[in-house]
Amino acid sequence: DTGVSQDPRHKITKRGQNVTFRCDPISEHNRLYWYRQTLGQGPEFLTYFQNEAQLEKSRLLSDRFSAERPKGSFSTLEIQRTEQGDSAMYLCASSLVQGARNEQYFGPGTRLTVT
Amino acid sequence: GQQVMQIPQYQHVQEGEDFTTYCNSSTTLSNIQWYKQRPGGHPVFLIQLVKSGEVKKQKRLTFQFGEAKKNSSLHITATQTTDVGTYFCAGMKTSYDKVIFGPGTSLSVIP
Repeated sequence: DTGVSQDPRHKITKRGQNVTFRCDPISEHNRLYWYRQTLGQGPEFLTYFQNEAQLEKSRLLSDRFSAERPKGSFSTLEIQRTEQGDSAMYLCASSLVQGARNEQYFGPGTRLTVT
Repeated sequence: GQQVMQIPQYQHVQEGEDFTTYCNSSTTLSNIQWYKQRPGGHPVFLIQLVKSGEVKKQKRLTFQFGEAKKNSSLHITATQTTDVGTYFCAGMKTSYDKVIFGPGTSLSVIP
């Protein structure tokens, strides 16, 4: 257990529905990342936050995806009008950026299945 | 955009053989990280390399960062079944930039 938690662990939804995932990072960490991972691939960058500020959002991410990190604590990732291609594992990671140090601690992920 | 590549994609070795995975970036990196993901698990941080030409060891694992800070390697000596998993490198252009992961090298160890 890395201390990063994600909820839910599994989500099955029908195409067209909206889903929201939550990530609780390690409390003293200032940076939070969202990734998407499909079978046999590396984590694909979606977006990241420094405290409550969203620093970058992947250009691969459509407008159906949005993320928030109110008050610089937990974060939510929402996918609107889900499509079958959104089926994947959604990983959250947090880190404490200090100088050059930036090791990330990953949560267990939320596995999304869109039917 | 920044790309991180890894070879090989898969590697099957007999237990006791050595294993090496190579990572290459399209751009110069500020630092590179290595992660291990066991089947069904999530990526777990192994190490971070910052300096040009840096070499770090963790027991049977040796990590290198290239002189030009565009490539890296992970070498495992005398593999064990506990080494099974996918090894990812991940690079950052600056210390404050996002982290880009490579596609990973999946290691299988035959007992």
